[in-house]
Amino acid sequence: EVKLLESGGGLVQPGGSMRLSCAASGFTFTDFYMNWIRQPAGKAPEWLGFIRNKANGYTTEYNPSVKGRFTISRDNTQNMLYLQMNTLRAEDTATYYCARWDYGWDYWGQGVMVTVSS
Amino acid sequence: EIVLTQSPTTIAASPGEGVTITCRASSSVSYMYWYQQKPGASPKPWIYDTSKLASGVPSRFSGSGSGTSYSLTINTMETEDAATYYCQQWSSTPTFGGGTKLELK
Repeated sequence: EVKLLESGGGLVQPGGSMRLSCAASGFTFTDFYMNWIRQPAGKAPEWLGFIRNKANGYTTEYNPSVKGRFTISRDNTQNMLYLQMNTLRAEDTATYYCARWDYGWDYWGQGVMVTVSS
Repeated sequence: EIVLTQSPTTIAASPGEGVTITCRASSSVSYMYWYQQKPGASPKPWIYDTSKLASGVPSRFSGSGSGTSYSLTINTMETEDAATYYCQQWSSTPTFGGGTKLELK
């Protein structure tokens, strides 16, 4: 069974940093593009970026809205996906999801809440 | 960035009624994806490659479209279909539509 489990959310002050983690299981992690998507309360989701699979060299792409502030990485030995977020702003407050891409985002984690507030 | 505009924003349907949700793209896209989301839950894949149903999606759902106009249709509304539906494209930087909230009348 495919499972994605995010962790690491919480309250952070504006200008601060936070790292989210996503533990993957139930599939060959290195075969898939892995993504981060966020969703502010009551709004549509927003794609943040992805890290490619082994066949494509684990390179990354980002939404211009977060490029330069957010970094996606993966530990393929531990089947872990990460999102490092720096210089956080109030508008980064949202639920953050990791998701696997395979003809659409076919598996999503349960999400983790990030609140940026003083 | 390709902007996806969904209509209507909210719709109410009675059990047994047909429902169509439209998604218009600001530029042509190759495929459209649809997700269903219920309150407090993660989005679920619903339709991929414009017209293919994700695993477990009832056959009363269908997807169609091309270019800049796509749609999701429910032949006969059932109570469990009440949810918010989002369209999504990946012909360029992935974007989502604003969502259509489908309510039970």
